Amino acid sequence: SQQGEEDPQALSIQEGENATMNCSYKTSINNLQWYRQNSGRGLVHLILIRSNEREKHSGRLRVTLDTSKKSSSLLITASRAADTASYFCATDEGKGNNRLAFGKGNQVVVIP
Amino acid sequence: GAVVSQHPSRVICKSGTSVKIECRSLDFQATTMFWYRQFPKKSLMLMATSNEGSKATYEQGVEKDKFLINHASLTLSTLTVTSAHPEDSSFYICSARPDDSYTDTQYFGPGTRLTVL
Repeated sequence: SQQGEEDPQALSIQEGENATMNCSYKTSINNLQWYRQNSGRGLVHLILIRSNEREKHSGRLRVTLDTSKKSSSLLITASRAADTASYFCATDEGKGNNRLAFGKGNQVVVIP
Repeated sequence: GAVVSQHPSRVICKSGTSVKIECRSLDFQATTMFWYRQFPKKSLMLMATSNEGSKATYEQGVEKDKFLINHASLTLSTLTVTSAHPEDSSFYICSARPDDSYTDTQYFGPGTRLTVL
């Protein structure tokens, strides 16, 4: 069953603006990961945040994790047209098998 | 960086035929690989965990006789869709976790689009 769930709204922003996406999940986790998928392509791993971490940065990406609320957010700063894609969060329950449960995904469109 | 390939990238077949999809880790070994399917505008659904040298572990609701998985080596897993029907048309994606990785990162293949006529 899918455990990670993003808000279902698609996001359309102007280039240069920041894009924020949220993800909620239902069970305890070992880590949460964010992926990007361009249309009809495979997934690209963006960032992993462990359950004992609250915030993590990677370039223009900032991820937060609130385990008490079972939620995470992904912020893309200074968006570019190339950031147009679907973004998924995925949770690893840490049962030793590395199974990931993916959320529904957020479609982000960055308008040049 | 870690690269995972899939072959073929696209396949069209007639109903009733079987289709084999390959997933290869090109520059690392992976005892464990995963197979997902994705419907248009939907998320990824984990189908099964492929284990080198042992039987695959299937998720609830996934028919193991319909979706045969073979993990013959530390760099290759195959998914065979047997007696394919139009409802099997989907985007199939594999992923692999490097055996020598200190993180839990999985690397995904580019996907295979299956169309069953």
